[in-house]
Amino acid sequence: EPEVTQTPSHQVTQMGQEVILRCVPISNHLYFYWYRQILGQKVEFLVSFYNNEISEKSEIFDDQFSVERPDGSNFTLKIRSTKLEDSAMYFCASRGQVEGKLFFGSGTQLSVL
Amino acid sequence: GDSVTQMEGPVTLSEEAFLTINCTYTATGYPSLFWYVQYPGEGLQLLLKATKADDKGSNKGFEATYRKETTSFHLEKGSVQVSDSAVYFCALSDARLGGTSYGKLTFGQGTILTVHP
Repeated sequence: EPEVTQTPSHQVTQMGQEVILRCVPISNHLYFYWYRQILGQKVEFLVSFYNNEISEKSEIFDDQFSVERPDGSNFTLKIRSTKLEDSAMYFCASRGQVEGKLFFGSGTQLSVL
Repeated sequence: GDSVTQMEGPVTLSEEAFLTINCTYTATGYPSLFWYVQYPGEGLQLLLKATKADDKGSNKGFEATYRKETTSFHLEKGSVQVSDSAVYFCALSDARLGGTSYGKLTFGQGTILTVHP
């Protein structure tokens, strides 16, 4: 089965630093998503991306966050100035045009010190 | 807003035991309902889904029925195996199938299942 790939699997950073989390969605998919899960809490929707623009974002996705699809294969989440409370597992997901099935990556564990 | 509530975990069972993980939801309209599973070190995988009332989703021996009257989508399996040990997430989407917002899911808190031989 095709896979969504996320790198790195673990990222440690200092508070105030910028981080970029990378994702390679499934090649013919058109809809892209980021979710996060803070330890012990629910998986939360952050943002959806379609046709090279954000289609929907949650209250969590403030000005510190941005997403980009810089080329035909990568989908990135940037946190401009990390805070301690950004420590979480971040999941990327993608799906096709009609197919409702969402494919998730295995996540990037971000630790902000 | 939308919300999903799962039974508190973790759940520990012996092999071949019957499994039920309860899930109830609050949503406007008629959401689609999902169960996702996360095996250790892997991403979330769709286990089964149901898109309208009274639909039964099934996969790998797991079943869940969309109960509109009780706003529930309980996961069941008649005989669990050690390989079923994972975290199980109930989720909903209140967007129409195929629409842009369809992949915006609201998740429950997850239930850790451990099956012993």
